[in-house]
Amino acid sequence: DAGVIQSPRHEVTEMGQEVTLRCKPISGHNSLFWYRQTMMRGLELLIYFNNNVPIDDSGMPEDRFSAKMPNASFSTLKIQPSEPRDSAVYFCASSPGWFTLAGENTGELFFGEGSRLTVL
Amino acid sequence: GDSVTQMEGPVTLSEEAFLTINCTYTATGYPSLFWYVQYPGEGLQLLLKATKADDKGSNKGFEATYRKETTSFHLEKGSVQVSDSAVYFCALLIQGAQKLVFGQGTRLTINP
Repeated sequence: DAGVIQSPRHEVTEMGQEVTLRCKPISGHNSLFWYRQTMMRGLELLIYFNNNVPIDDSGMPEDRFSAKMPNASFSTLKIQPSEPRDSAVYFCASSPGWFTLAGENTGELFFGEGSRLTVL
Repeated sequence: GDSVTQMEGPVTLSEEAFLTINCTYTATGYPSLFWYVQYPGEGLQLLLKATKADDKGSNKGFEATYRKETTSFHLEKGSVQVSDSAVYFCALLIQGAQKLVFGQGTRLTINP
């Protein structure tokens, strides 16, 4: 089974350029999450979607960041314009849902391999 | 607010040593607790979990017990291997919430 697929795996760009990161979640999963990982700040949740609808974007650092999920099999995270402090590994993760039919928390997120962004 | 605190890394051990990575939490409700592992160059993956007090999660020789009285979920392994070298994240999920709260991660290196 294919896992969460992210592209590109590596991106090097210059300050001021637009960056678009892409994610294909696992088929059938109804929740999608974007995280950012840096040495200084660790793992930060940027935004998450349920059934393609943004639920919580309070982690998005500023207006330069935007995320969309036009359908159940695709999401993008866009940075425009990019800055050197945006350099990080960006992870997409999906989940089939937090709870089993019995009401038990599953808590399992399935992560992609990440997109390493370097802004010069 | 809800938070997770892990022991600071990096942690370096020799093969076959005993491992403990401490994790404590603060939560307003009754959380489920998790350990995730991130191997080099990969995304995070679930290692084990416990959904209520006194539950023990286990997987791949790792164990962690949900201690409500000490608000802790320490990760242990009796005999580590070089292949256990990774970053380990403790996390919590509040009942009814829809997002995991992660700790800062602990980097573990096992030397042969």
